[in-house]
Amino acid sequence: GIQVEQSPPDLILQEGANSTLRCNFSDSVNNLQWFHQNPWGQLINLFYIPSGTKQNGRLSATTVATERYSLLYISSSQTTDSGVYFCAVAGRAGGTSYGKLTFGQGTILTVHP
Amino acid sequence: DARVTQTPRHKVTEMGQEVTMRCQPILGHNTVFWYRQTMMQGLELLAYFRNRAPLDDSGMPKDRFSAEMPDATLATLKIQPSEPRDSAVYFCASGPGAVYEQYFGPGTRLTVT
Repeated sequence: GIQVEQSPPDLILQEGANSTLRCNFSDSVNNLQWFHQNPWGQLINLFYIPSGTKQNGRLSATTVATERYSLLYISSSQTTDSGVYFCAVAGRAGGTSYGKLTFGQGTILTVHP
Repeated sequence: DARVTQTPRHKVTEMGQEVTMRCQPILGHNTVFWYRQTMMQGLELLAYFRNRAPLDDSGMPKDRFSAEMPDATLATLKIQPSEPRDSAVYFCASGPGAVYEQYFGPGTRLTVT
């Protein structure tokens, strides 16, 4: 199946700082999602981005499908951004991972006031 | 506000007991997934339904786990008999199709003593 690697595993920031989280994947995908798991355990959809670039407020994401990586940018971080950020991918039709999300191990983000 | 709902939110049970978790997918979504999150394994797919038909349950221990969709508004995950190693958070997710964004419910936190 598809392998997903996220980096860095941990990230500590001061409020107001910017950060970049990376997700590498091992095969072609037709679904890539970024999630934020908040301290209460809820998985919140951030982006559905199998390719291209999207922005939503202080967050933006870019997926370069041909090079098999995606980046999540967080600007002007706030304490409420703390939590775990997951990248998840699903493979193309015909493969064993079609339609099924494989998650990375996550990046634990802590933002201090 | 369309959301995936799950019940119960928390369940504590003794080893050997049957556990049933329920999920109501977002109306109109035809794909339903069950995932499990543990500290050791992270988030992993257990089962996957499309149009109520099971497509893949290779991630599930077959001897004790079963997943069904009795109708389009209800998906169930049963564990019988439960074991302490089944302690985890179980998430249900739904989506409008195999290649589209998946939306996660709040999860059921299961503790088996």
